[in-house]
Amino acid sequence: SQTIHQWPATLVQPVGSPLSLECTVEGTSNPNLYWYRQAAGRGLQLLFYSVGIGQISSEVPQNLSASRPQDRQFILSSKKLLLSDSGFYLCAWSVRRESGNEQFFGPGTRLTVL
Amino acid sequence: KNQVEQSPQSLIILEGKNCTLQCNYTVSPFSNLRWYKQDTGRGPVSLTIMTFSENTKSNGRYTATLDADTKQSSLHITASQLSDSASYICVVRGGLSNSGYALNFGKGTSLLVTP
Repeated sequence: SQTIHQWPATLVQPVGSPLSLECTVEGTSNPNLYWYRQAAGRGLQLLFYSVGIGQISSEVPQNLSASRPQDRQFILSSKKLLLSDSGFYLCAWSVRRESGNEQFFGPGTRLTVL
Repeated sequence: KNQVEQSPQSLIILEGKNCTLQCNYTVSPFSNLRWYKQDTGRGPVSLTIMTFSENTKSNGRYTATLDADTKQSSLHITASQLSDSASYICVVRGGLSNSGYALNFGKGTSLLVTP
């Protein structure tokens, strides 16, 4: 069976500090991978998606970047965090057969920037 | 513009009661509609998927309906339990994006079931 992991589960960082959130998927190959942010009282916002190693697409301009160094590893980064980067970050994967297929979400990372 | 609107924003019901959550969308072209349940501090989990030709689909005490003509969907929860307390998110696949069909997320309905 497939599983998706995210860490850390919670993170408190000062403004201006760097960020690295990691997501890994087990039990599947060549998945599509996604990073979402969920702000309080708002819906899920797609930040990045990847269809393969080194292939990253950004949906919205922002302070964050993403990388996919391995097939089942997806990393969300920032060089300098802003207060507005606070939120709940979700990683998700889907089968690559077609885009927009069912997405399976990880447990999420709660980021608080102070 | 592709939008997904959910109502109510929040809901409080007594344990054992039924409730219905609404989802209206303007996404076009339409591919499918999913209802997700998201427990606090966790990732969303899919409950049901509805395609254009499906009107009703059940998953235990959850029953989803779809009216593709009026672009409305509902999620009915029967005999609610405390564990049903969560956010319920309507997600419509459709519209066009750089990756093909896009997923359009509603903001969710926050349900609280009280004893």
